[in-house]
Amino acid sequence: DAKTTQPNSMESNEEEPVHLPCNHSTISGTDYIHWYRQLPSQGPEYVIHGLTSNVNNRMASLAIAEDRKSSTLILHRATLRDAAVYYCILRDYFNFGNEKLTFGTGTRLTIIP
Amino acid sequence: DTGVSQDPRHKITKRGQNVTFRCDPISEHNRLYWYRQTLGQGPEFLTYFQNEAQLEKSRLLSDRFSAERPKGSFSTLEIQRTEQGDSAMYLCASSLEPGQGYSQPQHFGDGTRLSIL
Repeated sequence: DAKTTQPNSMESNEEEPVHLPCNHSTISGTDYIHWYRQLPSQGPEYVIHGLTSNVNNRMASLAIAEDRKSSTLILHRATLRDAAVYYCILRDYFNFGNEKLTFGTGTRLTIIP
Repeated sequence: DTGVSQDPRHKITKRGQNVTFRCDPISEHNRLYWYRQTLGQGPEFLTYFQNEAQLEKSRLLSDRFSAERPKGSFSTLEIQRTEQGDSAMYLCASSLEPGQGYSQPQHFGDGTRLSIL
């Protein structure tokens, strides 16, 4: 499986934008980029996913580099509730049978009030 | 709340005992997944079902572990003869069936935390 690399931790001030980077230099053409987050004492929560184009939803935006070797999850206005571990995961949707999510250690995001 | 439900939330048992966890997925989801998470690590895949069929098992799932989904609805994960190394959070997730070329996000429960004394 293609691997992702994320910083271990990041800090951001409340009400400011947050940019969480992810490197995936060995990404294949059929790998989708997924982001999940895990709040303390909870299971992971789906955030967003994309293939080539930038994506927006109510939670966040996903910016994907033109060569697809890196991506950035953008939280437009961080709140204390966004303090969590954020996981960047690649999933190949053209490879039936590859259904599992392969989590790394993620980025622990701390929000400073 | 119609999310994924797991029971119990916490389980403490002595080494060598058997334990069983239950997962109730979102009702219309035909895919159900089990993961295990140890402290400071991301979740690790254990197994998944499509309806009642168990389609993939990780090598992490030793022969002491067994998972079932008898009617394609709820699922149970049993660990026999528990060991210290089994202490972890056991997470269940469900999803609609993915298709070739499109995604279905997995929805997770809040897990069962197992502690082996």
